[in-house]
Amino acid sequence: EPEVTQTPSHQVTQMGQEVILRCVPISNHLYFYWYRQILGQKVEFLVSFYNNEISEKSEIFDDQFSVERPDGSNFTLKIRSTKLEDSAMYFCASSAGTVEAFFGQGTRLTVV
Amino acid sequence: AQSVAQPEDQVNVAEGNPLTVKCTYSVSGNPYLFWYVQYPNRGLQFLLKYITGDNLVKGSYGFEAEFNKSQTSFHLKKPSALVSDSALYFCAVRGTGRRALTFGSGTRLQVQP
Repeated sequence: EPEVTQTPSHQVTQMGQEVILRCVPISNHLYFYWYRQILGQKVEFLVSFYNNEISEKSEIFDDQFSVERPDGSNFTLKIRSTKLEDSAMYFCASSAGTVEAFFGQGTRLTVV
Repeated sequence: AQSVAQPEDQVNVAEGNPLTVKCTYSVSGNPYLFWYVQYPNRGLQFLLKYITGDNLVKGSYGFEAEFNKSQTSFHLKKPSALVSDSALYFCAVRGTGRRALTFGSGTRLQVQP
């Protein structure tokens, strides 16, 4: 069964460093998303991406964040200068259209 | 704005008994409603959705959910709970024309043998 894959599963980084979280969406999907879940809290929407541009973003997705689809298969989330409060589980998701999104296993980001 | 409320942090049920996990929502326009399940150290796994049509929708692993427009609810149900159903369940909503899912705070389901 096709699935969304994310790498790495766990990343530890120092405050102020840049991190790139990587995702391979399901191959025939056209919409891509990033969500995050701070420990013990809700899953929060960050951004959606379609046709090589951001289609929607939340207030969380400020100038420190960027997304990119560098080739036909990968979808990345970059955090330019990490802060302690960026520590969370980051989920990538993809969907074929106006239907359900399928989520990856997540990348646990720890900022120290 | 769109929002979801899951009023119960935890639901405890004995194996073999029916279970209900509650969800109410607020959204502009017609809602797209979803249930996801999260097992420990795993991602969010899609269970079922309501887009339009029959108010009772069936999903994976014997789960079903009932859409009630007047009560703005989308409760998750299963006629007979299994110990393996123990997990964290999230309700989510998306409004017409939106891409972003808004999730509830999650309900931990504990099924006792």
